[in-house]
Amino acid sequence: EAGVAQSPRYKIIEKRQSVAFWCNPISGHATLYWYQQILGQGPKLLIQFQNNGVVDDSQLPKDRFSAERLKGVDSTLKIQPAKLEDSAVYLCASSPGQLRDTQYFGPGTRLTVL
Amino acid sequence: LAKTTQPISMDSYEGQEVNITCSHNNIATNDYITWYQQFPSQGPRFIIQGYKTKVTNEVASLFIPADRKSSTLSLPRVSLSDTAVYYCLVGDNSGYSTLTFGKGTMLLVSP
Repeated sequence: EAGVAQSPRYKIIEKRQSVAFWCNPISGHATLYWYQQILGQGPKLLIQFQNNGVVDDSQLPKDRFSAERLKGVDSTLKIQPAKLEDSAVYLCASSPGQLRDTQYFGPGTRLTVL
Repeated sequence: LAKTTQPISMDSYEGQEVNITCSHNNIATNDYITWYQQFPSQGPRFIIQGYKTKVTNEVASLFIPADRKSSTLSLPRVSLSDTAVYYCLVGDNSGYSTLTFGKGTMLLVSP
């Protein structure tokens, strides 16, 4: 079974530029998560989708971050414009969407904002 | 959401048993306890999940006392490859509720 795919793996941009990350979850998984992990900290949930609807985006900085999950499958996370403090690893995870789900994580995208 | 408290770091040697304890004093009746492992440059990986008493799989054991206010992840005979960060999470993760990651416990296994 293929795991969660993310691209790109690494991205370096200058502040105020825009960037987008892509995630392809495990086939059939209804729930998709985007996390931000700053060095030395645990992952912080940015947004959670159930199929193509948003369940929780309470910690998403909506003035600069946006995410979509068209057709309930792939998802993109965008940052526009980026700030220095956005430097982090952005992790995508998916789960079947059932009670007491196990989340399966992708390898992440390491973003460096200069 | 139930908050968890874990040691920031632990050291061990190859072949030893390692026990990492997590405190979750305000765990709710519907909450489960889940542990994830994260290696550098990788996403977290599910290790084990339990509700009460003891759960064991091919990787680890999870001990949960009757009051469920804490839990202990037990790794038997660790190897160098078990060096990682271990996260304890509490919640029902029903798909409509989320799990919150803390800072985790950095386990360093030495030869």
